[in-house]
Amino acid sequence: GNSVTQMEGPVTLSEEAFLTINCTYTATGYPSLFWYVQYPGEGLQLLLKATKADDKGSNKGFEATYRKETTSFHLEKGSVQVSDSAVYFCALSETGYSTLTFGKGTMLLVSP
Amino acid sequence: DADVTQTPRNRITKTGKRIMLECSQTKGHDRMYWYRQDPGLGLRLIYYSFDVKDINKGEISDGYSVSRQAQAKFSLSLESAIPNQTALYFCATSDGQVFTDTQYFGPGTRLTVL
Repeated sequence: GNSVTQMEGPVTLSEEAFLTINCTYTATGYPSLFWYVQYPGEGLQLLLKATKADDKGSNKGFEATYRKETTSFHLEKGSVQVSDSAVYFCALSETGYSTLTFGKGTMLLVSP
Repeated sequence: DADVTQTPRNRITKTGKRIMLECSQTKGHDRMYWYRQDPGLGLRLIYYSFDVKDINKGEISDGYSVSRQAQAKFSLSLESAIPNQTALYFCATSDGQVFTDTQYFGPGTRLTVL
């Protein structure tokens, strides 16, 4: 079956630090990959996505590249802000089927 | 107005009670989903519906039932609530387009079963 593994948190950084949150996946087919973000007290919202190998998803300064050879989709940001403090979820869906399989989430805490 | 709304936002109930969580959407999407979120476990799919006549069990459907009353409405019921159903519940919708499909989430319902 499908599964997503992401690094455990919390990840604690100072403002303007570089962020990496690791995500690896197992899938029987050729999935689409997503990063969702959950700000405190809110529902999840899509941050970025990639649908095929070597695609790079990007949004709000965050980036992730679909690496089929390493089955990874690591999230990066060059300079985090306090407002980036949230829980980040990596997820996948099989092409043509929109049910999502989520990782357990990684909490990011950014201090001034 | 929010595209995906959930009611109630918070609910405290007792063991054995029947409870219904409601979800409405104005996005015109055919596909709707119910998830629960538990600390350290991420989101797990309870039920999903690809159209009004289609209901499917997800990863953790035991103890839950759903009703798709219309394209815009998808309700989740706990027939006899138990404490380990205490969680944050999210409804989501999507348009089901291959490659571009994106799920849109409601704000969540925090359910506590005493």
